[in-house]
Amino acid sequence: GDSVTQMEGPVTLSEEAFLTINCTYTATGYPSLFWYVQYPGEGLQLLLKATKADDKGSNKGFEATYRKETTSFHLEKGSVQVSDSAVYFCALYNQGGKLIFGQGTELSVKP
Amino acid sequence: KAGVTQTPRYLIKTRGQQVTLSCSPISGHRSVSWYQQTPGQGLQFLFEYFSETQRNKGNFPGRFSGRQFSNSRSEMNVSTLELGDSALYLCASSLNWGDQPQHFGDGTRLSIL
Repeated sequence: GDSVTQMEGPVTLSEEAFLTINCTYTATGYPSLFWYVQYPGEGLQLLLKATKADDKGSNKGFEATYRKETTSFHLEKGSVQVSDSAVYFCALYNQGGKLIFGQGTELSVKP
Repeated sequence: KAGVTQTPRYLIKTRGQQVTLSCSPISGHRSVSWYQQTPGQGLQFLFEYFSETQRNKGNFPGRFSGRQFSNSRSEMNVSTLELGDSALYLCASSLNWGDQPQHFGDGTRLSIL
């Protein structure tokens, strides 16, 4: 079945460092891909999305490109801030009409 | 515009009891999906409702059920609670059935003693 694999955390970075969180997927057809962020005690917030191959999603300095050839959707940010500390989830939306999530990657940014 | 509202935020129950959780979608949204989040299994799809009908169901036992009302509000019920049902239950709303859910509530934290 469809699945999403994320790099394990926690990831600890210093403020202004470059961030990459790897995400790869297995799916039939052409799923839409998402990154969600979860802050402590809160639900999920959509960070960015891409609906077809080579699309780039971007928001708040975060970017991810839908790479069909490598089945990847890696999240990047050029300069992280303390306020970016959260758990990040990669997900796909498949033909079955449901979101399938990766296990989540905890990011901790130190000042 | 109000977001997705889930009530209550926290619940404590004991094994064998049943529980009902509520979700009010964004105004105008007609589809509601439910997800369970646990440290071990991560985020898993429970079911989706649209126009008061269950349109899609995840791989959960029959103890997990739900319904949707004519105003699009949804409830999920878990009967005969087990320790493993302790989780954060998240609700998401979208405009129509088949739309990718993009708006989540803050969840209901259910703890089973």
